[in-house]
Amino acid sequence: KAGVTQTPRYLIKTRGQQVTLSCSPISGHRSVSWYQQTPGQGLQFLFEYFSETQRNKGNFPGRFSGRQFSNSRSEMNVSTLELGDSALYLCASSTGGDYGYTFGSGTRLTVV
Amino acid sequence: GQQLNQSPQSMFIQEGEDVSMNCTSSSIFNTWLWYKQDPGEGPVLLIALYKAGELTSNGRLTAQFGTTRKDSFLNISASIPSDVGIYFCAGRPDRGSTLGRLYFGRGTQLTVWP
Repeated sequence: KAGVTQTPRYLIKTRGQQVTLSCSPISGHRSVSWYQQTPGQGLQFLFEYFSETQRNKGNFPGRFSGRQFSNSRSEMNVSTLELGDSALYLCASSTGGDYGYTFGSGTRLTVV
Repeated sequence: GQQLNQSPQSMFIQEGEDVSMNCTSSSIFNTWLWYKQDPGEGPVLLIALYKAGELTSNGRLTAQFGTTRKDSFLNISASIPSDVGIYFCAGRPDRGSTLGRLYFGRGTQLTVWP
């Protein structure tokens, strides 16, 4: 079956702009999580959605937001981009039960 | 929040050698996961552990869920060039406000010389 699909793969934005990233989970998976990966901080949890509800949120400013649709697809939005937001943004999906998460290939965001 | 200490940070080994890496936490986890990440890609799940003391293998990979529930170990036997990559441990506490959240180690960069 198809894996986790993230679009776009690469993105270049200017400081102050906003960006929306998309994630399509594995069919049947109802949980979608987002992580930010940087060389300095490693993998940091952003938020998790399960059946369209945000179940958990990491320690990121309010500029980072997300949502999940009825088909389990998820989007995350970053407003007023800063240089420090440059990172690989990873989406992971799961059935929501006690199983490992499957990651997508990520969206590489560069803020200039 | 929970901190995961993963060691070693990097390893340079010769093809055919065995590899060991570990991860420790200050808190208890209910699930331990081991991932491998190649450049430009997302992490790929290697082994999932759900019970204290559990020992699980996946080919040449063997991982263990520590009995204290605060650590986990990954061993790779007879390494080959395609084992090159970054290996991450991840723990999931699954309690209250941490439901569904994974905490990651900083990774072990593995280099295999032919």
